[in-house]
Amino acid sequence: EVQLAESGGALVQPGGSLRLSCAASGFTFRNHWMSWVRQAPGKGLEWVADIKEDGSEKNYVDSVKGRFTISRDNAKNSLYLQMNSLRAEDTAVYYCAIGWGSHGYWGQGTLVTVSS
Amino acid sequence: EIVLTQSPGTLSLSPGERATLSCRASQSVSSSYLAWYQQKPGQAPRLLISGASSRATGIPDRFSGSGSGTDFTLTISRLEPEDFAVYYCQQYGSSSRTFGQGTKVEIK
Repeated sequence: EVQLAESGGALVQPGGSLRLSCAASGFTFRNHWMSWVRQAPGKGLEWVADIKEDGSEKNYVDSVKGRFTISRDNAKNSLYLQMNSLRAEDTAVYYCAIGWGSHGYWGQGTLVTVSS
Repeated sequence: EIVLTQSPGTLSLSPGERATLSCRASQSVSSSYLAWYQQKPGQAPRLLISGASSRATGIPDRFSGSGSGTDFTLTISRLEPEDFAVYYCQQYGSSSRTFGQGTKVEIK
């Protein structure tokens, strides 16, 4: 059974940093692109970033470029999102998902709240 | 960045009725890399359609997708009670993926 489990969400002050993790199981992690998608409270879905199978290609939404870094550890079947210089508008549930589009599997999400 | 505009914002229908949801792209979506998702409150999105028209595994055949280029449609032939939810389109044909703002299908 495919499972994706996000962790690391928390309350953080503006300007702070946070690292999200996504533990994957039930499929061959190293063979799949992976993505982060977020959803602000009461709002729609927003693609954040994705990463190729071997980590050689990464894409970001403009609003997080230079502040967020996506990475992966194929030996640990894990996906990460390092978030720096956090802003109030980054407040959202962050989901990890398999693939670079048409995401058939999603985690349950982890809540990041940026507030003083 | 390709902007996806979904219409209408809200669709009020009764069970058994047909729902037609639109997703219009600001530029052509490469190779019909267009997906549709359903999301219910407190849940992660669920993939319905990929490649503009291919139903995902386990999705009932009352859901169908069509379109190409800049105009795409999700049709629910006969609404079941469990179909009332928010629906999103997503394009993944460019390196900057984007979602539409969503269409809420509510019970009339």
